Amino acid sequence: DAKTTQPPSMDCAEGRAANLPCNHSTISGNEYVYWYRQIHSQGPQYIIHGLKNNETNEMASLIITEDRKSSTLILPHATLRDTAVYYCIVRVASYNFNKFYFGSGTKLNVKP
Amino acid sequence: DGGITQSPKYLFRKEGQNVTLSCEQNLNHDAMYWYRQDPGQGLRLIYYSQIVNDFQKGDIAEGYSVSREKKESFPLTVTSAQKNPTAFYLCASSSLYEQFFGPGTRLTVL
Repeated sequence: DAKTTQPPSMDCAEGRAANLPCNHSTISGNEYVYWYRQIHSQGPQYIIHGLKNNETNEMASLIITEDRKSSTLILPHATLRDTAVYYCIVRVASYNFNKFYFGSGTKLNVKP
Repeated sequence: DGGITQSPKYLFRKEGQNVTLSCEQNLNHDAMYWYRQDPGQGLRLIYYSQIVNDFQKGDIAEGYSVSREKKESFPLTVTSAQKNPTAFYLCASSSLYEQFFGPGTRLTVL
């Protein structure tokens, strides 16, 4: 069962911020939200993750709503190389083992 | 370089033949995973292994088999029982906080 829901595609102008939404309304209190991206025919790459606080790293920011039912990945200044499929993922941990539940992803098209 | 290798990158097989996809990691991770990806779709979990000599079925295990004899290796066999094996196959391993993926193997059954 999919634990996340994402729009199938989004467009963004080069240099502008890209805001990618994700719904995870059934997330449990100890389940993390992860974001990965996949450039065509390559393995997905880690971007960022969080539990309930907002997070920022050199690639992106992650904003999680207070009720944790949704989140937004923000790429502050999108470039053409950011064109990819972005996956919002819920990580379920048990007994030192993780299962990662992938949604269907959002295809981000960054346009010049 | 630390990472995950998958071989081959492209694989062609005739219908009815079993085929084994290789996955090796040198990240010293206990957990390893196999996913299948169909065009325009997300990743679906085939099998996963928490530790050597132990593995569990994922969501779409029918027609697949795995082994985990060494920590570094988690090969996937696509058997003739898999009705639609043509797909992109991704292997991954994980630390406590992050999952790392290999470059994938694209399998085409003719």
